[in-house]
Amino acid sequence: AQSVAQPEDQVNVAEGNPLTVKCTYSVSGNPYLFWYVQYPNRGLQFLLKYITGDNLVKGSYGFEAEFNKSQTSFHLKKPSALVSDSALYFCAVRARSNDYKLSFGAGTTVTVRA
Amino acid sequence: SAVISQKPSRDICQRGTSLTIQCQVDSQVTMMFWYRQQPGQSLTLIATANQGSEATYESGFVIDKFPISRPNLTFSTLTVSNMSPEDSSIYLCSVRRGPSTDTQYFGPGTRLTVL
Repeated sequence: AQSVAQPEDQVNVAEGNPLTVKCTYSVSGNPYLFWYVQYPNRGLQFLLKYITGDNLVKGSYGFEAEFNKSQTSFHLKKPSALVSDSALYFCAVRARSNDYKLSFGAGTTVTVRA
Repeated sequence: SAVISQKPSRDICQRGTSLTIQCQVDSQVTMMFWYRQQPGQSLTLIATANQGSEATYESGFVIDKFPISRPNLTFSTLTVSNMSPEDSSIYLCSVRRGPSTDTQYFGPGTRLTVL
């Protein structure tokens, strides 16, 4: 079985401050990990992924995420948030033994205030 | 990545009717997926649609309720049958190009409201 937990329903930050969105996962074996963002009335946009290699992964729009195997975490970060980063963020996991099925977290709504 | 379009983008339907959602991809893909996102909820996989074979449904979803077609490598349809208000959701199409491609890309979604 595989699952994802996003412990925070909402994250509020001021523009220019660091942004962190938390994600922990549970999977048998090694994981593939993903972050997606959903803007209002839009589909999901792929941000970044961890497959193998460096634990720090850089993605679109200045976002990065750090894979921590011991803590089974894959937190999303951005050093300086923008108002335009306000959106719904989803973490997803797939076990390497699983050919296709992604399991998504419940999502975290990020609000960046000017 | 992939350019994915869905039609319609939104619809309001009466209970008991059916709606067919179309998903078109700009290039050939091996695997296509249909997801449901209920209001305020996360995404749930409905089924996987591979060209030339029957769709594979996840637990809790059945073909009679959500029939799927996959006539070629760039197109798929999902029908929501005999709709009830509980079917009000966003339905999203997703693709992967092949077993060596790890990332799923999503269409813009179809927002369905059932009255």
